[in-house]
Amino acid sequence: DAEITQSPRHKITETGRQVTLACHQTWNHNNMFWYRQDLGHGLRLIHYSYGVQDTNKGEVSDGYSVSRSNTEDLPLTLESAASSQTSVYFCASSPDLNSPLHFGNGTRLTVT
Amino acid sequence: AQKITQTQPGMFVQEKEAVTLDCTYDTSDPSYGLFWYKQPSSGEMIFLIYQGSYDQQNATEGRYSLNFQKARKSANLVISASQLGDSAMYFCAMRERTGANNLFFGTGTRLTVIP
Repeated sequence: DAEITQSPRHKITETGRQVTLACHQTWNHNNMFWYRQDLGHGLRLIHYSYGVQDTNKGEVSDGYSVSRSNTEDLPLTLESAASSQTSVYFCASSPDLNSPLHFGNGTRLTVT
Repeated sequence: AQKITQTQPGMFVQEKEAVTLDCTYDTSDPSYGLFWYKQPSSGEMIFLIYQGSYDQQNATEGRYSLNFQKARKSANLVISASQLGDSAMYFCAMRERTGANNLFFGTGTRLTVIP
């Protein structure tokens, strides 16, 4: 069965370190998204991609970057982790803009 | 301005009863889609139901229905015959067709089903 997987499920890192969260989908979806979830804010869009070599900034993109070198993967990089980036991160994909998003199971990141 | 507003941080419902979770949205785009997701305590996001802005009828999926009132810009989720497994966070979301086509989420409603 097609799926979307995130790794790691949990990560603890120190302030200032570079961190990369992986997202891999086997749905062959063009559209991929990264969200962060924080209490009181729901899910907020960090970055998104509509296809290979396409990346776009979302609502809360400062301090994050993504790259899309193939259809399956959209890794999220925190250039220099900050405590404010402690959150749960969700990757999602969709085949088109009328379809619901398929979500990964999330990565809980703690920045100490 | 908030694109999606969910005014009920928490709701309680008796098992087997129906419950309505409120959602209002703000857009000037004539073409948009509305989604509801469920997030149980295990953390995954589960798609429940979709309503397109041009759909003439309210969407239904099993025990879930969407009470779509376009003029009021509301898209309330109705869960009939509540079950203990319905206890979860519920998020309303909207995607506009113009602009970046991003999916905007509300802050969620935590539903607790009481036995």
